[in-house]
Amino acid sequence: GNSVTQMEGPVTLSEEAFLTINCTYTATGYPSLFWYVQYPGEGLQLLLKATKADDKGSNKGFEATYRKETTSFHLEKGSVQVSDSAVYFCALKKETSYDKVIFGPGTSLSVIP
Amino acid sequence: KAGVTQTPRYLIKTRGQQVTLSCSPISGHRSVSWYQQTPGQGLQFLFEYFSETQRNKGNFPGRFSGRQFSNSRSEMNVSTLELGDSALYLCASSLNVATNEKLFFGSGTQLSVL
Repeated sequence: GNSVTQMEGPVTLSEEAFLTINCTYTATGYPSLFWYVQYPGEGLQLLLKATKADDKGSNKGFEATYRKETTSFHLEKGSVQVSDSAVYFCALKKETSYDKVIFGPGTSLSVIP
Repeated sequence: KAGVTQTPRYLIKTRGQQVTLSCSPISGHRSVSWYQQTPGQGLQFLFEYFSETQRNKGNFPGRFSGRQFSNSRSEMNVSTLELGDSALYLCASSLNVATNEKLFFGSGTQLSVL
């Protein structure tokens, strides 16, 4: 079946450090891929997305590239801030509009000053 | 435009009771999905409704049920509550007319079962 795997957390980084959160997926065809972020006490919100191979999604300094050959969608940011402390979820949705969104387990990030 | 609204924000129940949670989607959104979030299991898909019909269902027991009204508002019900039902229940809405659409989430209902 379709699934999403993320690197285990929690991840703790110092401010201005480089961030990578690994995400790999299992799915047939060409799903759309997403990164959602959940700040403390809130619901999830979309951070970025990519809909086809080699697409790069970007937002707020975060980037992720859809790699079909490695079935990956790793999240990166060059310089994290304390305000980036949150839980990050990788997700996929199959081609048909009525398919459900499948989320990874989430990776908790803490950024310390 | 108002966001996704979930009520109540917090609930405390005892084992054996039942509970009903409410979700009002963004105006114009016809798809509503429900997720259970726990520290150990992450985000687990419960079900999705589209135009008052359940279109997808996750692997939860029959104690978990839901419905959607003609105005797209949705409710989920949990009967005979168990301690393990303590979780954050998240509702998400979308137009659901394209595969790359994002979900809009509410802030959730935090359910504690004692």
